[in-house]
Amino acid sequence: DSGVTQTPKHLITATGQRVTLRCSPRSGDLSVYWYQQSLDQGLQFLIQYYNGEERAKGNILERFSAQQFPDLHSELNLSSLELGDSALYFCASSLTGGGDSPLHFGNGTRLTVT
Amino acid sequence: GENVEQHPSTLSVQEGDSAVIKCTYSDSASNYFPWYKQELGKRPQLIIDIRSNVGEKKDQRIAVTLNKTAKHFSLHITETQPEDSAVYFCAASRGGSQGNLIFGKGTKLSVKP
Repeated sequence: DSGVTQTPKHLITATGQRVTLRCSPRSGDLSVYWYQQSLDQGLQFLIQYYNGEERAKGNILERFSAQQFPDLHSELNLSSLELGDSALYFCASSLTGGGDSPLHFGNGTRLTVT
Repeated sequence: GENVEQHPSTLSVQEGDSAVIKCTYSDSASNYFPWYKQELGKRPQLIIDIRSNVGEKKDQRIAVTLNKTAKHFSLHITETQPEDSAVYFCAASRGGSQGNLIFGKGTKLSVKP
């Protein structure tokens, strides 16, 4: 168990809809990362937060947004969903914000857009 | 920004053989190099990491080597077993306020019994 909790585990929704993915980081970790992984693909970095502030942005679509709350949990909002958004979304947490400490991944949320 | 190239994209070995996965990075200031293993349908997990003040690090059958001059680092798995079959990701970061962890595209390792 990594200590990172992601909910829900599975999500099935229709095109055009909006969903929210939730992540609770490991106790003591200040940084939260979001990654998208499509079938047989690598880890596409979306966004990172550190202690409540946006730290780095990757290839995140404008239809997607995220935030980290004062209790350090994070939410990833995906709107106007398209079929191509179907993927496994991972949250990871780490102690530091500079990427120089181990990342602890949650078990992911599998999103299916029909 | 940092760019991490990983090779090969797929690797098939016989059980008991060694496997080597190589990564190159572009940012000479990078100083932290972790390796993650992702089994099918599961989350990536850190298996070993190395910092730039060390040239080699071993943990049982796994070792990582770092060549700062050439800006490349490698994962070595000896005496491979079927349970080593997974996707392996390398990554690099310079740390600090300007740092961000950049992943390679992954190597799918298949160990045939």
